[in-house]
Amino acid sequence: EDQVTQSPEALRLQEGESSSLNCSYTVSGLRGLFWYRQDPGKGPEFLFTLYSAGEEKEKERLKATLTKKESFLHITAPKPEDSATYLCAVLGSSNTGKLIFGQGTTLQVKP
Amino acid sequence: NAGVTQTPKFQVLKTGQSMTLQCAQDMNHEYMSWYRQDPGMGLRLIHYSVGAGITDQGEVPNGYNVSRSTTEDFPLRLLSAAPSQTSVYFCASSYSRKAGPFNTDTQYFGPGTRLTVL
Repeated sequence: EDQVTQSPEALRLQEGESSSLNCSYTVSGLRGLFWYRQDPGKGPEFLFTLYSAGEEKEKERLKATLTKKESFLHITAPKPEDSATYLCAVLGSSNTGKLIFGQGTTLQVKP
Repeated sequence: NAGVTQTPKFQVLKTGQSMTLQCAQDMNHEYMSWYRQDPGMGLRLIHYSVGAGITDQGEVPNGYNVSRSTTEDFPLRLLSAAPSQTSVYFCASSYSRKAGPFNTDTQYFGPGTRLTVL
């Protein structure tokens, strides 16, 4: 059964304090791993798609990496506006278009 | 482009009432889906569609119906609402890359409908 586990559940950082969020996955034939950001009361906002181990993508202070078992979302010198819940999801070869989501990591960045 | 739109934003129902949550996209996406999001449960797939006239069940389909008569619209129907259906509902859409039966394209989400069933 495809499964996604995110850690930690919650993370508090001081502004400028870099850290990483983890997404561990078990999937039959990874077709894609997706990172989303979700603000309170809003829908998930797309950040990155990673397709194969070794792939990396960056956007402003965020960098996503992928191995065969996990993905990391690295946040460099975060700002208060980076506070949100970050969701990881995988698409496996056994599921036609069905994303399997993790529980999310809620990040709070204090000024 | 408006992207993925959902109506209503908020809805309160009584147990046993029926209603339809509306979802529309103007990106000519083939693939559309409905998720519900509950505290501690994450996002769970209810139903999805790979094109007009084609729908299939997701992880938690019971109590919900869907149809897809056009590419743009994918309504979700609650036939007889129950308190267990209190949740936030999200619609999503994506292109369906022509790479066999698998859709590997990014799904884009709407703003959500917050539903309370009393």
